[in-house]
Amino acid sequence: AQSVTQLGSHVSVSEGALVLLRCNYSSSVPPYLFWYVQYPNQGLQLLLKYTTGATLVKGINGFEAEFKKSETSFHLTKPSAHMSDAAEYFCAVTPSGTGGFKTIFGAGTRLFVKA
Amino acid sequence: NAGVTQTPKFRILKIGQSMTLQCTQDMNHNYMYWYRQDPGMGLKLIYYSVGAGITDKGEVPNGYNVSRSTTEDFPLRLELAAPSQTSVYFCASSEADKVYEQYFGPGTRLTVT
Repeated sequence: AQSVTQLGSHVSVSEGALVLLRCNYSSSVPPYLFWYVQYPNQGLQLLLKYTTGATLVKGINGFEAEFKKSETSFHLTKPSAHMSDAAEYFCAVTPSGTGGFKTIFGAGTRLFVKA
Repeated sequence: NAGVTQTPKFRILKIGQSMTLQCTQDMNHNYMYWYRQDPGMGLKLIYYSVGAGITDKGEVPNGYNVSRSTTEDFPLRLELAAPSQTSVYFCASSEADKVYEQYFGPGTRLTVT
């Protein structure tokens, strides 16, 4: 069975500070991992994904995430927060070879950015 | 190219009423999905479709029905609405060879009272 745990339902950072959103997963087969961002009153937008290959993946808006198999983690980072990064972020896992209908989403982490 | 569109944006239903949430995509995606999002919870898959005429249940299908008569449209039907169906509903789509990259609509906020 697959599961996703996002540590911290709310994270607050100052503008210009490091953003770190934590995600741990469990999967019985090699996983594909994703981060989605949801701005207020909008649908989810794919931020970045890991399927195979390089374990450090870069996404849009300066975000990146590193797949660490030994730690079963896929934490999302950004060196310098911007006010426009305030949103809710969802980590998701899909067992490889099963299709998008097996995607499991985490509960989400709301990021607040202080001026 | 509008992507995935959903109507209505908001709706209030009384217990026992029925309604259809509309979803349309213009990207010619074969795969389409319906999710519900409850506060503090991740998205839960209600139903999905891998092509016109083919649908299947997701994690939380009870109280819902779907149909897929065309590639573009994937309506979600609520029969006998219950307070437990108060939620935000998202429709999504993906290409058959990139099923992991889902494109989401803006959502429908439904309240059942």
